[in-house]
Amino acid sequence: QVQLVESGGGVVQPGRSLRLSCAASGFTFSVFGMQWVRQAPGKGLEWVAVIWYDGSKKYYGDSVKGRFTISRDENTLYLQMNSLRAEDTAVYYCARVVHCNDGGCFVHGLDVWGQGTTVTVSS
Amino acid sequence: SYELTQPPSVSVSPGQTARITCSADAFPRQYVYWYQQKAGQAPVLVIYQDTGRPSGIPERFSGSSSGTTVTLTINGVLAEDEADYYCQSADNSGSWVFGGGTKLTV
Repeated sequence: QVQLVESGGGVVQPGRSLRLSCAASGFTFSVFGMQWVRQAPGKGLEWVAVIWYDGSKKYYGDSVKGRFTISRDENTLYLQMNSLRAEDTAVYYCARVVHCNDGGCFVHGLDVWGQGTTVTVSS
Repeated sequence: SYELTQPPSVSVSPGQTARITCSADAFPRQYVYWYQQKAGQAPVLVIYQDTGRPSGIPERFSGSSSGTTVTLTINGVLAEDEADYYCQSADNSGSWVFGGGTKLTV
């Protein structure tokens, strides 16, 4: 079945780095644009980053720009997080957002989500 | 930066109609997407492109728009609809944003 599974979360000290992974299965990953979304404890959803289906375009939220990098390979989405801060503590979700084919791209919204992986930044 | 504004909370009785608004601070605007999130769970897409309803989402969920305001309407609210609801949209630069979320109490 269509599935996204995040991994790589954990406890890390401020200033250190962490890389999250999101393994896709059950669908053709290469035709979907993907997003990372996070949710701090007790807070709302915050958009983190988006990557185009072919990796040609990447955009970031203001709070992570210059510190986080989104990337992808054949069936996995990544989020490299550097210079981590306490305020980056959150559950991180990956989700697919746009389907592209020869006829163009259709933004269908975040229709498939992973279960989330927890990142805690603390000394 | 682009912002979406939602009311913090909406309260309705079972069987009534709940309306949750999402106001954009720019016009024209991109499409809005709505998500339902229950405690301890990942969000679920309930409305796409302002008015579209994904397969599997009950017909009581609908979306509408007027100018810079988009509305999620839940007709005949059930106890199981109690959740947080978030709107999301993109700006013209490729960045996305979520509204602050609305807690629906039934």
